[in-house]
Amino acid sequence: AQSVTQLDSHVSVSEGTPVLLRCNYSSSYSPSLFWYVQHPNKGLQLLLKYTSAATLVKGINGFEAEFKKSETSFHLTKPSAHMSDAAEYFCVVSDSKYGTASKLTFGTGTRLQVTL
Amino acid sequence: SAVISQKPSRDICQRGTSLTIQCQVDSQVTMMFWYRQQPGQSLTLIATANQGSEATYESGFVIDKFPISRPNLTFSTLTVSNMSPEDSSIYLCSATGTFNTGELFFGEGSRLTVL
Repeated sequence: AQSVTQLDSHVSVSEGTPVLLRCNYSSSYSPSLFWYVQHPNKGLQLLLKYTSAATLVKGINGFEAEFKKSETSFHLTKPSAHMSDAAEYFCVVSDSKYGTASKLTFGTGTRLQVTL
Repeated sequence: SAVISQKPSRDICQRGTSLTIQCQVDSQVTMMFWYRQQPGQSLTLIATANQGSEATYESGFVIDKFPISRPNLTFSTLTVSNMSPEDSSIYLCSATGTFNTGELFFGEGSRLTVL
């Protein structure tokens, strides 16, 4: 069985300051892990993915995440927040052990608020 | 990548009726899925849509309530049957790309309100 835990339901940062969204996972296999973003009334967009290659993964819009097996974590970071980053962020684990997409298990989401 | 179109984008329905949501992908894909996102909640997988055969449902979801079809590699439908207000949710279709490289692509969802 697989699961993800997003440790914060809501994070608020000031524009220009760093962003940290925390995620811990549980998986029977070497997992594939993803971060998706959902802007209000929009579909989900893939930010980045980890599929057993480099442990530091760079995504779109300046986001990156580091896979730490010893800590079972996959935290999402960005050096400097922008107002347009305000959205809901989902940490996601795939049950596929072959690095191909299969059904995904979503975390409960973290709402990122960016203030002036 | 894959571009996924869903319709309707939103609808308001009466209790006891049924609604069919259509999902069209712009390329042939290996896997398609249907998710539900209840208000203020995360996404929950309803089922895997299998081409030419019965869908594979997750625990808590049954074919009589959520019949799914997938007649080919680019199209699927989800029907929400005998709706109640508790079915008010966003229903999202997702799919792999033409080459299954690990991520899923999502449509913008169908926002359903049941009165």
